[in-house]
Amino acid sequence: QVQLQQSGPGLVKPSQTLSLTCTVSGGSISSGNYHWGWIRQPAGKGLEWIGHIYTSGSTNYNPSLKSRVTISADTSNNQFSLKLTSVIAADSAVYYCVRDGYNLGFDAFHIWGQGTVVTVSS
Amino acid sequence: DIQMTQSPSSLSASVGDRVTITCRAGQSVSNYLNWYQQKPGKAPKVLIYAASSLYSGIPSRFRGSGSGTDFTLTISSLQPEDFATYYCQQTYSTPYTFGQGTKVDIK
Repeated sequence: QVQLQQSGPGLVKPSQTLSLTCTVSGGSISSGNYHWGWIRQPAGKGLEWIGHIYTSGSTNYNPSLKSRVTISADTSNNQFSLKLTSVIAADSAVYYCVRDGYNLGFDAFHIWGQGTVVTVSS
Repeated sequence: DIQMTQSPSSLSASVGDRVTITCRAGQSVSNYLNWYQQKPGKAPKVLIYAASSLYSGIPSRFRGSGSGTDFTLTISSLQPEDFATYYCQQTYSTPYTFGQGTKVDIK
């Protein structure tokens, strides 16, 4: 079955760019009709949807982050990535990559990466 | 953005209890409502999608209901492994939004 493996630094300096990658195994990122996305969770707090990229390549971002976020796909490596620019301390969180079940008839996020703890600090 | 409000924020219950968590949307989300369970240090996992459909492998003691703006997650007989935090999420429109969570702990 499809699995998501996250990679990327756990420490980012303020004003710099947070970059995370999610490698997909057990299926192709370019087949089917799915949303491949990112969600974050600050320590002790709730879940925030960051955005997603559709199989077609179209993207949709949370307006609260839109000016700083880019989600892209690398089909040759079966990966998708998150870039968040100009980070501040409030961007510190556990970041999860996710996939929904759109092609299966539902849009809940049923596949999750393991999570990456990102701390923004100098 | 569609605001999702869960109640209660936390509750204490005993094994075998019936537990009900409610989720209210700021506007109608039809049945585009999902429920997740999260345990400490773990990624959330989906329990219910489309308001009332049980995800594969989830025990039948979990039940979702509602449509429009008012939704309910019911655990018919709480088991030790059910102590966790539960979130509702709307996927009716972007940005997808979550409730603030309901923590279920042991009485």
